[in-house]
Amino acid sequence: AQKITQTQPGMFVQEKEAVTLDCTYDTSDPSYGLFWYKQPSSGEMIFLIYQGSYDQQNATEGRYSLNFQKARKSANLVISASQLGDSAMYFCAMRETNFGNEKLTFGTGTRLTIIP
Amino acid sequence: GAGVSQSPSNKVTEKGKDVELRCDPISGHTALYWYRQSLGQGLEFLIYFQGNSAPDKSGLPSDRFSAERTGGSVSTLTIQRTQQEDSAVYLCASSQGQGIYNEQFFGPGTRLTVL
Repeated sequence: AQKITQTQPGMFVQEKEAVTLDCTYDTSDPSYGLFWYKQPSSGEMIFLIYQGSYDQQNATEGRYSLNFQKARKSANLVISASQLGDSAMYFCAMRETNFGNEKLTFGTGTRLTIIP
Repeated sequence: GAGVSQSPSNKVTEKGKDVELRCDPISGHTALYWYRQSLGQGLEFLIYFQGNSAPDKSGLPSDRFSAERTGGSVSTLTIQRTQQEDSAVYLCASSQGQGIYNEQFFGPGTRLTVL
């Protein structure tokens, strides 16, 4: 089974609208972390937001928020008031707590295009 | 600069040649990771270094791939006898240590093209 699933290969959104990027995950580890990264066309990976499995509240960072539904194993990224500069690839990733297994497991990404 | 740096930014090589990719992590970061991103795909874990511990090589796709980290800082990823399927962007990341929350900071990547 895929550890991280992003079902939207591409999305087009009107500028200033909110957008939700879907991410579901699969783990049997009770303790894990979920990350979202943005990759513009320049190629660098930019960290956006983090959610720990034991965090009681949904994470927020400026215009980014994470809609964390633990029972459904989903960690959707919400971008409010989208801007042209938000056009990029977005990756959801997970780290599990098994020390020695420190890698991030990434989804296949969603390409977001903001339309003026 | 304070970020992760990688060199070269682009590398074009002929099939069968060996290549070396370099990563300079953020100063003070004990953990270093290599990932590979094929065209249009997500990132694939290759190898992880933490301090002086033996590296986690579980993601290396074949024995043609190897990596070392000298002095707990700079790392080199070596691909021997390159194949066309090795063409990808190779990304290096570093973090302050172990644990669920240790944000990984990524370098700009090396784009490898094997002709």
